[in-house]
Amino acid sequence: GAVVSQHPSWVICKSGTSVKIECRSLDFQATTMFWYRQFPKQSLMLMATSNEGSKATYEQGVEKDKFLINHASLTLSTLTVTSAHPEDSSFYICSAEEGGTYEQYFGPGTRLTVT
Amino acid sequence: TQLLEQSPQFLSIQEGENLTVYCNSSSVFSSLQWYRQEPGEGPVLLVTVVTGGEVKKLKRLTFQFGDARKDSSLHITAAQPGDTGLYLCAGNMGGSNYKLTFGKGTLLTVNP
Repeated sequence: GAVVSQHPSWVICKSGTSVKIECRSLDFQATTMFWYRQFPKQSLMLMATSNEGSKATYEQGVEKDKFLINHASLTLSTLTVTSAHPEDSSFYICSAEEGGTYEQYFGPGTRLTVT
Repeated sequence: TQLLEQSPQFLSIQEGENLTVYCNSSSVFSSLQWYRQEPGEGPVLLVTVVTGGEVKKLKRLTFQFGDARKDSSLHITAAQPGDTGLYLCAGNMGGSNYKLTFGKGTLLTVNP
């Protein structure tokens, strides 16, 4: 149980274009999902908390107009990187919290490369 | 300021050795999780500890939560190359806040 999928697993895009990443909880409903960014050999950096049916809560320093988050259902959250630039290249990981347990289950991550 | 101090940051040992990773904070956590992450993949939950003084075992891995719920440790006995990875501790403050605070991670390499 508690499986989270992420799509795509990797994407290469040109500077100035937008990229959408999907995060799905496959066998449970997730009221709360989280989006993280991770640099090589470093820990996870929380970008935003995504709540079903409401606006996402962004961490300090994260541009909400650049990283658009939508959590339209209890099993799906999306992160759209708008007008991507090479410095946005990173490993993006989502997680879903299972029903008040405080345990987060992570997706396999998406490697974004902006050329 | 790092809320969760994790040490060591890097650890390279030989197969068969034992090791301990520490996670310390001045804050009290409602629960604390340990994750293991391999390159190019998402973190995988190993264990959750919620009670002060709690000890949980997962095969050769032993997890302990401090009595005051401010610190935790992960001990691996007879490490194997398959244990290689990034180990992350993460704490939650409880209540309506479901966010996790992550330590910086321990990159473990077990050499055959």
